[in-house]
Amino acid sequence: SQTIHQWPATLVQPVGSPLSLECTVEGTSNPNLYWYRQAAGRGLQLLFYSVGIGQISSEVPQNLSASRPQDRQFILSSKKLLLSDSGFYLCAYSPGGTQYFGPGTRLLVL
Amino acid sequence: GQNIDQPTEMTATEGAIVQINCTYQTSGFNGLFWYQQHAGEAPTFLSYNVLDGLEEKGRFSSFLSRSKGYSYLLLKELQMKDSASYLCAVRGLNTDKLIFGTGTRLQVFP
Repeated sequence: SQTIHQWPATLVQPVGSPLSLECTVEGTSNPNLYWYRQAAGRGLQLLFYSVGIGQISSEVPQNLSASRPQDRQFILSSKKLLLSDSGFYLCAYSPGGTQYFGPGTRLLVL
Repeated sequence: GQNIDQPTEMTATEGAIVQINCTYQTSGFNGLFWYQQHAGEAPTFLSYNVLDGLEEKGRFSSFLSRSKGYSYLLLKELQMKDSASYLCAVRGLNTDKLIFGTGTRLQVFP
C-alpha cells in the first residue's frame, strides 16, 4: 500500500535559523510530489512541485527551496527563516491524478 | 485569472443534510476534488468529478456542472465527526497541480 511520511511533526525555530523538512513516499514509483503551506485560517498555497528526481518547479517567490534527491524523497529547506514562514507545511504525492497528503509539519518561527 | 469560491462557514444539526457549494473560474478544467480537513490535521481525499453529474459515495455525494463552473458536496445523516473544513480544488489542463479554495468550515451541533 502507498504511504507518505513527514517529519518532524512540529518544530519551533528562531528567526534566522535554517530549516529542513523531509517527506518520503512508499509503495509507488515516480510520483509527482508537492509542498504546500497553510497559514492559520487560510487556504493551501502550493510552494513547489516535482515530476522527477532533480526536477523542481517553484510556484511563488520566497526564501524557501526544495530538492528531490531520490525518487520518493522531497525536502523543503531554508537558509534563514522569517516570521512569515510560520505555518502548516504539507507534502503531497500524486501517483496519477489524485493528490494524497502527508500528516504535515507545524512550524512556528519566533 | 483563476478563482474558487466557497462559503467560509456553515452550521448544521446532527442527522441533517448539508450542501456545501463551490464555484470556480479557471483557465482550463480537468477535474474537481473535494477534501476533508479536521482541525490540526492534513486534508483527506473525499471525491473527484470530471464529468457532469452526481457521484455518490456512502453518506457523501458530489455534483459537478462544468457549464456553470459549479460543484457541491452533499453530506447526509450528519454526524458530530463531520465537523471539519471542506476544501474544493480544481485541476487545470495538462497538469496534476490543484488550485484550492479557502475551505468551508462546517460545525455540526447535537
